[in-house]
Amino acid sequence: GQQLNQSPQSMFIQEGEDVSMNCTSSSIFNTWLWYKQDPGEGPVLLIALYKAGELTSNGRLTAQFGITRKDSFLNISASIPSDVGIYFCAGGVGRGGSQGNLIFGKGTKLSVKP
Amino acid sequence: GAVVSQHPSRVICKSGTSVKIECRSLDFQATTMFWYRQFPKKSLMLMATSNEGSKATYEQGVEKDKFLINHASLTLSTLTVTSAHPEDSSFYICSARGSGPGELFFGEGSRLTVL
Repeated sequence: GQQLNQSPQSMFIQEGEDVSMNCTSSSIFNTWLWYKQDPGEGPVLLIALYKAGELTSNGRLTAQFGITRKDSFLNISASIPSDVGIYFCAGGVGRGGSQGNLIFGKGTKLSVKP
Repeated sequence: GAVVSQHPSRVICKSGTSVKIECRSLDFQATTMFWYRQFPKKSLMLMATSNEGSKATYEQGVEKDKFLINHASLTLSTLTVTSAHPEDSSFYICSARGSGPGELFFGEGSRLTVL
């Protein structure tokens, strides 16, 4: 079945650093979404991407829908302590009204450098 | 974004009892909701797709008699874990489709602990 490879699995950040993570797949997706999950909470949608090549920002977050439709990246600029959490990418195959299930990456855990 | 609310957020029950978890879309109608299970430090595992007014569609390996899903209205889906056992202890999360293609909005999750 379809799978997403999300990397890195975990990373440590220092406040002020830029962070980058990505998801790749051997399958084509029509939608890419990025979520953040805090401990004990449900995932919260950060950015949704609908077109190949699309680059979208949400504050300090920027995500791109790869031109091949098989990958996406998420960048966080000038990280702050509250950026800590687990970030999930998700690929969707539905179009328009046919909103299919999402395939989730395994997550990237962001922690603060001690 | 759309708001999805789950209740209860935490529940502890004895082995053999049944537990019901509610998932509500607060400011939009959701004809389709999804139920996930998440193990510690793992990604979300889709359990079933809940369709308003019809039977849920379960993923392979998920027991439909164990995890009863009812989607009785456009704003409410429930997951009942029947005859719960300690191995059913987990974090259960629901989601509902938003208006954008492929958008999903998640509930806060429900932590089930079976003693």
